[in-house]
Amino acid sequence: DVKVTQSSRYLVKRTGEKVFLECVQDMDHENMFWYRQDPGLGLRLIYFSYDVKMKEKGDIPEGYSVSREKKERFSLILESASTNQTSMYLCASTVGGSNQPQHFGDGTRLSIL
Amino acid sequence: KNEVEQSPQNLTAQEGEFITINCSYSVGISALHWLQQHPGGGIVSLFMLSSGKKKHGRLIATINIQEKHSSLHITASHPRDSAVYICAVRSRNFGNEKLTFGTGTRLTIIP
Repeated sequence: DVKVTQSSRYLVKRTGEKVFLECVQDMDHENMFWYRQDPGLGLRLIYFSYDVKMKEKGDIPEGYSVSREKKERFSLILESASTNQTSMYLCASTVGGSNQPQHFGDGTRLSIL
Repeated sequence: KNEVEQSPQNLTAQEGEFITINCSYSVGISALHWLQQHPGGGIVSLFMLSSGKKKHGRLIATINIQEKHSSLHITASHPRDSAVYICAVRSRNFGNEKLTFGTGTRLTIIP
């Protein structure tokens, strides 16, 4: 079974802090994704990566950056956290180059005070 | 207008009822996904469809490509089916794995 693990279930940070959200998958998947989920808006793609050191902007990349130094790990970085980044963050992974389901982590509920 | 629309937004039913959740989309797609999200956040993939119909236990998913419409049915519903059900499409316009998501249908099954 594919396991996608997010480092924290709940996280509280202060405005202006640099915040790191970590995601690790154990199935050698090429593609990894970061989403945020807000009430009434559904899941929105922040960034995705299709290989080590490769990344592409999603629909809402502003205020975020990502890092993929190893295939199994995809990090989301909030450079200077703001209150409008309070949200549920979900990581997902999938095999590259094929029409396969995405496998999701349990999510990180991030509050910026 | 969202590319993926789900209806209803909220649905409450008695245990045992037959449930239908609808998804309409406006773009050409290569696949449609149905996902389930339980309280607490984790998302599980239920089905991936590109044509026809799929069944898994009490869950049935259908898709009509010409009408750009999919339905998720639950037979003999049970309180453990209470969750948010999310429709997502992979657009044929993208050469990658990006999905566009509906806003979800919150299902509550009352014992």
